[in-house]
Amino acid sequence: SQKIEQNSEALNIQEGKTATLTCNYTNYSPAYLQWYRQDPGRGPVFLLLIRENEKEKRKERLKVTFDTTLKQSLFHITASQPADSATYLCARYNQGGKLIFGQGTELSVKP
Amino acid sequence: GAGVSQSPRYKVAKRGQDVALRCDPISGHVSLFWYQQALGQGPEFLTYFQNEAQLDKSGLPSDRFFAERPEGSVSTLKIQRTQQEDSAVYLCASSFELEETQYFGPGTRLLVL
Repeated sequence: SQKIEQNSEALNIQEGKTATLTCNYTNYSPAYLQWYRQDPGRGPVFLLLIRENEKEKRKERLKVTFDTTLKQSLFHITASQPADSATYLCARYNQGGKLIFGQGTELSVKP
Repeated sequence: GAGVSQSPRYKVAKRGQDVALRCDPISGHVSLFWYQQALGQGPEFLTYFQNEAQLDKSGLPSDRFFAERPEGSVSTLKIQRTQQEDSAVYLCASSFELEETQYFGPGTRLLVL
């Protein structure tokens, strides 16, 4: 079965630094990967989608890469701010159209 | 409102009690999804509707779980004879079509004592 794996260990960084989160997947490459942000007590919010034929995608301070050889996506937040503190989830669609999520990585940005 | 809403936000149930969780999707969204999220984990798919048709219920953990969307808008997830392992956050999401961006509600946090 397809799996999505993210670092379960929380990531703590200093304000202004770049945060890098990792998403690894198994089996066949998905057509695209999605990244979501989830704050405590709230549902996930869609951030970015990257297709398998796109090496990199940017949106403001966010950058996502997709390496089908390594079966990995990296999610970067540049010039991080305390307001970026949240859990970030990676997700893919399986063949039945269901979204499969990783377990999420909690990011904490200290001022 | 413009977003997905869910009610109640919190539910405490005694083991063996039946519960009903409601989801109001974004108006016009054809696809509706239910997920279960355990503490420290990502959401796990439960079931999916396209309009009023339940096209996939493969994620429902047991026959105690039942979902419906009779008029193709509001959906209800019902859990019969709740067990402690049912304690989780239940998330609802809707999208205009399958495999388009899903918009999530705030979730219902269920605690079974």
